[in-house]
Amino acid sequence: QQQVKQSPQSLIVQKGGISIINCAYENTAFDYFPWYQQFPGKGPALLIAIRPDVSEKKEGRFTISFNKSAKQFSLHIMDSQPGDSATYFCAASIASGTYKYIFGTGTRLKVLA
Amino acid sequence: NAGVTQTPKFRVLKTGQSMTLLCAQDMNHEYMYWYRQDPGMGLRLIHYSVGEGTTAKGEVPDGYNVSRLKKQNFLLGLESAAPSQTSVYFCASTHGRTPGSYEQYFGPGTRLTVT
Repeated sequence: QQQVKQSPQSLIVQKGGISIINCAYENTAFDYFPWYQQFPGKGPALLIAIRPDVSEKKEGRFTISFNKSAKQFSLHIMDSQPGDSATYFCAASIASGTYKYIFGTGTRLKVLA
Repeated sequence: NAGVTQTPKFRVLKTGQSMTLLCAQDMNHEYMYWYRQDPGMGLRLIHYSVGEGTTAKGEVPDGYNVSRLKKQNFLLGLESAAPSQTSVYFCASTHGRTPGSYEQYFGPGTRLTVT
């Protein structure tokens, strides 16, 4: 019940294309869903996050779509650029108490120039 | 602000040796976390702390100990290193007491190899 399943494991997209990464969770108590971006040799950094009271959140080229009934959420990267090549992790948390994150296993994105 | 810093950046240990990884944050965060990152397994929580003087076990605590004697520092210890502890270790912190502030800020990581 504590798992967050992420797919695909890796993704190759042409420059200008749309990158889509999906995550699914089981624990209905989760109420904070962040996406982290990690470049090689660096620590993860928050990209965008959503609470379950909205179905979509957009920040620039990055959009989270959230489906509460299906217990799924996804990251869409529009107009993907070579600089977006990184590993992306979804996570789920309960926004109170210990604020612990449960991370997905990560998606390695490569955007071809 | 330096944010979250970790020392050392790299370390090679022999099986059975001990070492301590240091995490420091200058953001006055209450909560701190230690993760390990392994290929194909994402980030897994080792131990965490919800305040100075407190620690608790995470998902994969075996073989590790932690201490939080000062609010800004969180130490991760390996008493007797094993090859299975070869990994990249990340420290993170978050406010914990500020409503609406849930982001975890990560350090740059420590790459540990146990031979």
